[in-house]
Amino acid sequence: TQLLEQSPQFLSIQEGENLTVYCNSSSVFSSLQWYRQEPGEGPVLLVTVVTGGEVKKLKRLTFQFGDARKDSSLHITAAQPGDTGLYLCAASQMDSNYQLIWGAGTKLIIKP
Amino acid sequence: NAGVMQNPRHLVRRRGQEARLRCSPMKGHSHVYWYRQLPEEGLKFMVYLQKENIIDESGMPKERFSAEFPKEGPSILRIQQVVRGDSAAYFCASSLRTWTGVVGTGELFFGEGSRLTVL
Repeated sequence: TQLLEQSPQFLSIQEGENLTVYCNSSSVFSSLQWYRQEPGEGPVLLVTVVTGGEVKKLKRLTFQFGDARKDSSLHITAAQPGDTGLYLCAASQMDSNYQLIWGAGTKLIIKP
Repeated sequence: NAGVMQNPRHLVRRRGQEARLRCSPMKGHSHVYWYRQLPEEGLKFMVYLQKENIIDESGMPKERFSAEFPKEGPSILRIQQVVRGDSAAYFCASSLRTWTGVVGTGELFFGEGSRLTVL
């Protein structure tokens, strides 16, 4: 069974700090997606990465897909309280285009 | 465009009762996925459906759970004879088509979830 491991599981930092969260696997994936989920809500797609080494930016969020397409990172610059939430990564299997493998998430709290 | 609509948002059932959760996908989406989420955990795939067809139900318990996506109307996840362990948030997602490796094709759009509490 392929596994996506997210780290850290929990992170609490002050507003204005930078942070990086990780999504790692020993398996190669065809693509990887990052979602953010706020309490009581469903996950919302932030970005999809498909090419090894790809970097995508979404305002203060920078997403990178590893060269070997086994891992990804999410870097947030100058974190704000509005960034608080559960960050989930999900990757699609090479041999099963429709089923996503999900990480357990990183719970991020940004304190004002 | 309206997003994915799920109802009810909250459902309380006693052990042994039935729970029915409904999901209307985004307009134009014909692919529906059901996920289950326990507190402080990630999402666990249950079932993938297209109109009138179950494509993959490998994540769904074989007993008491069933899902359908009829030609007309919402997708329904049905849990019979609920037990306390069924308490969870159940999320529905829809996509325009299956993932083809091209961004903008198979991304999932989630509803706000249905939270089932079994007393």
